Amino acid sequence: AAGVIQSPRHLIKEKRETATLKCYPIPRHDTVYWYQQGPGQDPQFLISFYEKMQSDKGSIPDRFSAQQFSDYHSELNMSSLELGDSALYFCASSLQGANYEQYFGPGTRLTVT
Amino acid sequence: GNSVTQMEGPVTLSEEAFLTINCTYTATGYPSLFWYVQYPGEGLQLLLKATKADDKGSNKGFEATYRKETTSFHLEKGSVQVSDSAVYFCALRIIQGAQKLVFGQGTRLTINP
Repeated sequence: AAGVIQSPRHLIKEKRETATLKCYPIPRHDTVYWYQQGPGQDPQFLISFYEKMQSDKGSIPDRFSAQQFSDYHSELNMSSLELGDSALYFCASSLQGANYEQYFGPGTRLTVT
Repeated sequence: GNSVTQMEGPVTLSEEAFLTINCTYTATGYPSLFWYVQYPGEGLQLLLKATKADDKGSNKGFEATYRKETTSFHLEKGSVQVSDSAVYFCALRIIQGAQKLVFGQGTRLTINP
């Protein structure tokens, strides 16, 4: 079965650079979520989209922005990168509604040097 | 607010031992409860879930019962295997409103042969 695809899997950037992470949800899933997992920490919700509109916002820095496109894929744009942005970034997708599970991608490991 | 508290790890057991990982929650609404597992270098996989009080989720020999009176969702397995070594996350999602997951801090489990 098709899963959530994230690219790239690994990314190394320097401080103050920008990064773009991409997420391709499971076909027919209309909702995308982004989570950030710091080293040894639990995943923290960043932002979510439903039908290309932002549906919820968590602890996402102002330096980050995200959007969902007409084909439902999503991109997380990160600017002025800081060392503390080094983390594993997960994308999850689901159908909209309380009874539908979120399926997670393998994550993008971002290292800021 | 909404939060999840897990027993602190790491937890180290011998193969075939009995496993319990405690999880308690605080929620402003009525939550669904989940256990996710993260194997080394991989993304989050849904292990089991329960959507209402007294429901028991089960999968791969793992079980957890939604206890509203004690606001708990403890994970148990009768006989662990080396392949169960991973990080386990308890999580909740409020049924009403946004669908984001709120995770506990994770418990690292190591099973020795």
